[in-house]
Amino acid sequence: GQNIDQPTEMTATEGAIVQINCTYQTSGFNGLFWYQQHAGEAPTFLSYNVLDGLEEKGRFSSFLSRSKGYSYLLLKELQMKDSASYLCAVRWGYHSGGYQKVTFGTGTKLQVIP
Amino acid sequence: SAVISQKPSRDICQRGTSLTIQCQVDSQVTMMFWYRQQPGQSLTLIATANQGSEATYESGFVIDKFPISRPNLTFSTLTVSNMSPEDSSIYLCSVLDRVYEQYFGPGTRLTVT
Repeated sequence: GQNIDQPTEMTATEGAIVQINCTYQTSGFNGLFWYQQHAGEAPTFLSYNVLDGLEEKGRFSSFLSRSKGYSYLLLKELQMKDSASYLCAVRWGYHSGGYQKVTFGTGTKLQVIP
Repeated sequence: SAVISQKPSRDICQRGTSLTIQCQVDSQVTMMFWYRQQPGQSLTLIATANQGSEATYESGFVIDKFPISRPNLTFSTLTVSNMSPEDSSIYLCSVLDRVYEQYFGPGTRLTVT
């Protein structure tokens, strides 16, 4: 099966930097997503990492190490509106036969305080 | 990016009845999924909706309870059958586009009384 772990909750200060970690154990790994989800809303896509390394997109960056089964989402210059749940999700499966799935972690609830 | 709409956005249903949720995508997509998100929880994959064939269900979900249709590459339905209060949840349609970015519909909030 697929096993994805994230911290349940985190608190950080407005203007600071926060790193949300995600570890996974999966077979047929193809890539890792990060999503932001505000309460009562659908998840919105933040990033997708396929290769090892850091990908930067504005205030948000995502890192992947496939050998370690590890990823993190880095949020810089935190704003109050960044208070949300952040979901790590692993895409896995096998290209032959087009078998692909995405499995989600339990999510990390981030609270940004003044 | 794909734009996804779902109908209804919310509903309150009596136990023992069934509800069909529709998902419409503005472009043709190969991979379409149905998820459930219970209050305070993360997303759980119900099934992969396959065009022109039976859906592929995850462990704990069966076709009799959650029949799925996918008549073409832009549309799918999920039916929640013989509902009980435990089925109260948000049901989300999702697609993977050609560059493997995943997008979600706005969700259907179901309450079973």
